[in-house]
Amino acid sequence: DIVMTQSPDSLAVSLGERATINCKSSQSLLYSSNNKNYLAWYQHKPGQPPKLLIYWASTRESGVPERFSGSGSGTDFTLTISSLQAEDVAVYYCQQYFTTPLFGPGTKVDIK
Amino acid sequence: QITLKESGPTLVKPTQTLTLTCTFSGFSLSTDTVAVGWIRQPPGKALEWLALIHWNDDKRYTPSLSSRLFITKDTSKNQVFLTMTNMDPVDTATYYCAHRRKEGSAWYPFDYWGQGTRVTVSS
Repeated sequence: DIVMTQSPDSLAVSLGERATINCKSSQSLLYSSNNKNYLAWYQHKPGQPPKLLIYWASTRESGVPERFSGSGSGTDFTLTISSLQAEDVAVYYCQQYFTTPLFGPGTKVDIK
Repeated sequence: QITLKESGPTLVKPTQTLTLTCTFSGFSLSTDTVAVGWIRQPPGKALEWLALIHWNDDKRYTPSLSSRLFITKDTSKNQVFLTMTNMDPVDTATYYCAHRRKEGSAWYPFDYWGQGTRVTVSS
């Protein structure tokens, strides 16, 4: 079974600074037939449903601000918020959808 | 416009069976490019995928709970149901339903979510 890990568990970043979250899969999420990484990132704020930010590891969902970017391939992935805004305070989850869906444990992002 | 909404009891007793309903609009589960899933989040814990149903009634469950879960659909009513047996206080959580789409041969992640429904398990 695939295992998803994230680091750090939480981080505090000053407004306007960069936030970086890492996600690691125990198996490659790169599907050779279409050369796509089956890795998504979600933002989850209290009282709201999770919001899809990134899919295929690096494709931004429609309407998601450009300060959110995803990178990586195979087993190692990164979500970067280039300039943290107050509204970005949330828990961020990676999710593999290569097999049946599995979420990572989440990373809490706060303002320093 | 795709929308989903969860409904069901807010309080169940231990050992009881929970049945949740996801009522959706903006898509049909009779097309081969759609699936609906259930995900939950216990208080203070991470998101956990529970179950998935496809247009052709193909069903998938998270292994740790597969003996307690049952997902069904009523295509004519645009509804998906999740049944969870033998409820325990650790099943207290917000339960979400969500939409997935397929383009070509590739399935996408959950792109539309309901607002969630809070379920408390307590005697």
